Amino acid sequence: DIVMTQSPDSLAVSLGERATINCKSSQSILSSSTNKNHLGWYQQKPGQPPKLLIYWASTRESGVPDRFSGSGSGTDFTLTITSLQAEDVAVYYCQQYYTTFWTFGQGTKVEIK
Amino acid sequence: QVTLKESGPALVEPTQTLTLICTFSGFSLNTQGMRVTWIRQPPGKALEWLARIDWDDTKLYSTSLKTRLTISKDTSRNQVVFTMTNMDPLDTATYFCARARGELTLNNYYYYIDVWGRGTTVTVSS
Repeated sequence: DIVMTQSPDSLAVSLGERATINCKSSQSILSSSTNKNHLGWYQQKPGQPPKLLIYWASTRESGVPDRFSGSGSGTDFTLTITSLQAEDVAVYYCQQYYTTFWTFGQGTKVEIK
Repeated sequence: QVTLKESGPALVEPTQTLTLICTFSGFSLNTQGMRVTWIRQPPGKALEWLARIDWDDTKLYSTSLKTRLTISKDTSRNQVVFTMTNMDPLDTATYFCARARGELTLNNYYYYIDVWGRGTTVTVSS
């Protein structure tokens, strides 16, 4: 199975500041068939299910604020929150859907400094 | 609007079989490019993918758990049934069902999860 490793495990960011979360896959998840990176980002607030933010590594899901953006290719990916809001406090997960056996990162907890 | 809801017992005893039902609306598992998947999350831990079933009844199970898992669909009821045998306290978790939507490229569907149910908490204890 592909191992997804996120960093850091947690971070505290001041309101209005940038938050950056990294995700590294143990092998490339760039598909030659689709020419896309098979990676999604999810936000999970306490007591709630995960919510899709980004798919294909950089495509924002409908309704997701544009302060959320995804980037990267191959094995290294980043989720950026450009101006952190109080409602962005959550755990963020990356997930690969390149192989038939999907795997998630361990999660990154984002808090307000 | 796509919604999914998990139902099943909150408490099961060790060695028992867990049966969970995912009831969904806003889409049909008869439609090409649709998939329902099960994922669990132990308390305070990360997400673990368990199983999936596609519109064409293709099924796949986690390698580490496949001997214990079964997934099936009842398209007339818009339900997916998930069973896990021989439950252990380590299986205590919140179990989520989720829809994955497929994008067609070169005659193949490539899926990603877009909508999750709220989850159901299952405790394994005697």
